Amino acid sequence: QKEVEQNSGPLSVPEGAIASLNCTYSDRVSQSFFWYRQYSGKSPELIMSIYSNGDKEDGRFTAQLNKASQYVSLLIRDSQPSDSATYLCAVLAIYNQGGKLIFGQGTELSVKP
Amino acid sequence: GAVVSQHPSWVICKSGTSVKIECRSLDFQATTMFWYRQFPKQSLMLMATSNEGSKATYEQGVEKDKFLINHASLTLSTLTVTSAHPEDSSFYICSARDGGIAGEERNEQFFGPGTRLTVL
Repeated sequence: QKEVEQNSGPLSVPEGAIASLNCTYSDRVSQSFFWYRQYSGKSPELIMSIYSNGDKEDGRFTAQLNKASQYVSLLIRDSQPSDSATYLCAVLAIYNQGGKLIFGQGTELSVKP
Repeated sequence: GAVVSQHPSWVICKSGTSVKIECRSLDFQATTMFWYRQFPKQSLMLMATSNEGSKATYEQGVEKDKFLINHASLTLSTLTVTSAHPEDSSFYICSARDGGIAGEERNEQFFGPGTRLTVL
């Protein structure tokens, strides 16, 4: 069973703070990792993808990947109330029929003004 | 770029009827599309993987005769919920991969806005 684990939260941070979201995965073969943001009642939106060890920055978002520890994280700097959403970690799993994403259960983030 | 649409955005139907949901990639060719279901406060559950021109691959526990998937073109996949019952009420979301992208980014999936199904 290939699994992706996230803390369900809710994670509450004050406006302007750094929000840190964490994810661990069980499949050592995985090479592609994604963070999606999902607002309540809406579908997921891709915000970051990361494929190599280290950090990847895009605006206020930084994804961090450590394949040896099977750990991927998302940092949100200068958090805004509009960042309040559920953040889904997804890992690409390769099967005989091709690749499919395995999602974690999501971490609910609440940014307080 | 990478826009995926779904239609309808919501539907209410009577128990026993069939409902068809369309998923379209608007600005790219999607050789592979995915259908998910999401219940309130739960994560996404993959139902099936749809490849253009071939039969869909269903996840374990998903009834292929109840959830009919057709991927007849590179921009359109449909999900038909046959003989819907109240327990089928859920948020159905499709996603697509851009078949024209090479390299690692080819695995990125882009989601449609979802279809909320309510079966009375």
